[in-house]
Amino acid sequence: ELKVEQNPLFLSMQEGKNYTIYCNYSTTSDRLYWYRQDPGKSLESLFVLLSNGAVKQEGRLMASLDTKARLSTLHITAAVHDLSATYFCAVAPFNFGNEKLTFGTGTRLTIIP
Amino acid sequence: DGGITQSPKYLFRKEGQNVTLSCEQNLNHDAMYWYRQDPGQGLRLIYYSQIVNDFQKGDIAEGYSVSREKKESFPLTVTSAQKNPTAFYLCASSRKGTGGYQETQYFGPGTRLLVL
Repeated sequence: ELKVEQNPLFLSMQEGKNYTIYCNYSTTSDRLYWYRQDPGKSLESLFVLLSNGAVKQEGRLMASLDTKARLSTLHITAAVHDLSATYFCAVAPFNFGNEKLTFGTGTRLTIIP
Repeated sequence: DGGITQSPKYLFRKEGQNVTLSCEQNLNHDAMYWYRQDPGQGLRLIYYSQIVNDFQKGDIAEGYSVSREKKESFPLTVTSAQKNPTAFYLCASSRKGTGGYQETQYFGPGTRLLVL
C-alpha cells in the first residue's frame, strides 16, 4: 500500500523567510504532483514532476523530486502572505495504467506579515 | 471556458435518504475521479473512471455508487448505507499525456454535504 507523508503538518512563517515542505512516499514512483488549496476552496495544480531529478519553479515556489530517496520538496523563497494555503503532494504508483493518486495529509502554511 | 462544474454547492441529506452529486466537465478528459475530504484531512479516493461505461472502486467506495454513461458526466450517489457522509466532495478529471500516463488532475469547486 502506497503511503504518503508530509511534514510539517503546520507551518507558520514570517514574510520574507525561506522554508521547505517535505513529501515522503513509501513505494516506487516516478510521478508526483503538488496542489494548493485555499480555505474552503478546491485544489489547484501547481507542479507535475515526472522523473528523478525533476525540478519545476513558478514564482516563489520550487518543487523537486528524488525518486531514489522517495522524496519531493516544495521550497518557498521569500514568502509573501498570498502563499498562505494548504499544500498537498500526491503520488501515482509505479504501475502503468493504475491511475490512483494517493494524497498526503497536507501542510497548512500561514505567512505572518 | 473549459472546466469542471459540480452541483449543488451545498447539499443536505436526511437520514435514510440517497442523494446524488453532479459532476460535469467540458475538457474532453477521459478520466474522472471522486474524492472525499474531511476537515483538516487530505483527499481520499471514492471511485474513478478511465473510460465511459467503466469505473473502479477507490479506497473508500462503501456506501457510494457512480455511473459513467457519458464522457462529460460522472455523478456520485451517496446512499443511506454511508453512515457518516458529512464531508467536502471533490470531482476531478484528467487526460492521458504523451507518455501514456494520466496528466495532472483538474478539480471542480466541490460540494459540501451535511446530514440533517
